[in-house]
Amino acid sequence: GESVGLHLPTLSVQEGDNSIINCAYSNSASDYFIWYKQESGKGPQFIIDIRSNMDKRQGQRVTVLLNKTVKHLTLQIAATQPGDSAVYFCAEIPGNTPLVFGKGTRLSVIA
Amino acid sequence: NAGVTQTPKFRVLKTGQSMTLLCAQDMNHEYMYWYRQDPGMGLRLIHYSVGEGTTAKGEVPDGYNVSRLKKQNFLLGLESAAPSQTSVYFCASNPFRDSLGNIQYFGAGTRLSVL
Repeated sequence: GESVGLHLPTLSVQEGDNSIINCAYSNSASDYFIWYKQESGKGPQFIIDIRSNMDKRQGQRVTVLLNKTVKHLTLQIAATQPGDSAVYFCAEIPGNTPLVFGKGTRLSVIA
Repeated sequence: NAGVTQTPKFRVLKTGQSMTLLCAQDMNHEYMYWYRQDPGMGLRLIHYSVGEGTTAKGEVPDGYNVSRLKKQNFLLGLESAAPSQTSVYFCASNPFRDSLGNIQYFGAGTRLSVL
């Protein structure tokens, strides 16, 4: 079946730098995407979402980019802080079905 | 506001034992979900419910049963635990299926070990 995947399983970033986390999705029917952050020992927490009729959405220090042509999502975190260290998941909704989660990318912030 | 609460937080079972994991949400959400998360893996959907009295199978339903007798509670049962069911289990809920309602709110997880 179709699934969500990530290009980079681990990412190390210097504190203060920007982080870029990528995600590829394969289901062209998906019309809604969500990024989650999961800190060690905790459940996933919503960060930002985007609908398929948008290319970009900004939050506080985070931006999600959607490229429907190549079925690719990007999460940008500005001025990365130690508290950003976590596993980041993208998730898609392929039509009238529950969320499908990717395997996740671990972000490590180097102080 | 407690959000999504899972009990217990930790449990160790012997092969063949049974147990029930409880998920409770106080947000009056319609949809509830049970996931399992294995090391280095993403979340895999076990079962879900779109309302009180309803349940549906997810990606990995075998070996699990669920019940949604009350809107606020979603129970996950293991009738005969196997070592392959060692995992961290997460419950989640969301209000309904539109762009805002699809944001799922997660509990803190239940860490289950089957020996």
